[in-house]
Amino acid sequence: DADVTQTPRNRITKTGKRIMLECSQTKGHDRMYWYRQDPGLGLRLIYYSFDVKDINKGEISDGYSVSRQAQAKFSLSLESAIPNQTALYFCATSDFAPSRGAGELFFGEGSRLTVL
Amino acid sequence: DQQVKQNSPSLSVQEGRISILNCDYTNSMFDYFLWYKKYPAEGPTFLISISSIKDKNEDGRFTVFLNKSAKHLSLHIVPSQPGDSAVYFCAASAGGGGSNYKLTFGKGTLLTVNP
Repeated sequence: DADVTQTPRNRITKTGKRIMLECSQTKGHDRMYWYRQDPGLGLRLIYYSFDVKDINKGEISDGYSVSRQAQAKFSLSLESAIPNQTALYFCATSDFAPSRGAGELFFGEGSRLTVL
Repeated sequence: DQQVKQNSPSLSVQEGRISILNCDYTNSMFDYFLWYKKYPAEGPTFLISISSIKDKNEDGRFTVFLNKSAKHLSLHIVPSQPGDSAVYFCAASAGGGGSNYKLTFGKGTLLTVNP
């Protein structure tokens, strides 16, 4: 079983619909992240959370919201989906490793979202 | 404002030869650098990292070089193997692992290793 699990893996929806992407992890990490990948744009940070009571905006948070329900769960919501939110979304986790700087991120397999 | 730049969208090399992937950064506060590899339909996986206090880190066939004065790092893969064909992302962070932490990624370079 994957250490970082994303559901759904694929979703097609219509403009204006509310969508939730869920992420759960078994690595025991405190830190969780949501990234978006678009062709030619790499990975861009949407939101991140350092613990259950901590939520931080990334570089492209407009149009998104998140919820950290537990240490192991971090969900991403699109309240009213629009076509330019069509992308591949990745959840990631990390521990706090000051000896290594930021610590490596462990990614899920991705959730492909298409907004028509 | 792109702080981590991978100017080569793609690179093609022959099996057994050296692959060199390049990355430039603009933020002088970056002090930790990572390379990730991504296969289609999978999430990125960590490959190798380097702290700004070093100029080289080696792990098997993979070596990362850091030139702080030029704000440039490179990933060397030698010898290259067909299984190395993937998208490689360069990433950087500033401020250690504390509250200022954020990982910034480049756009990626597609490496193709031909048999």
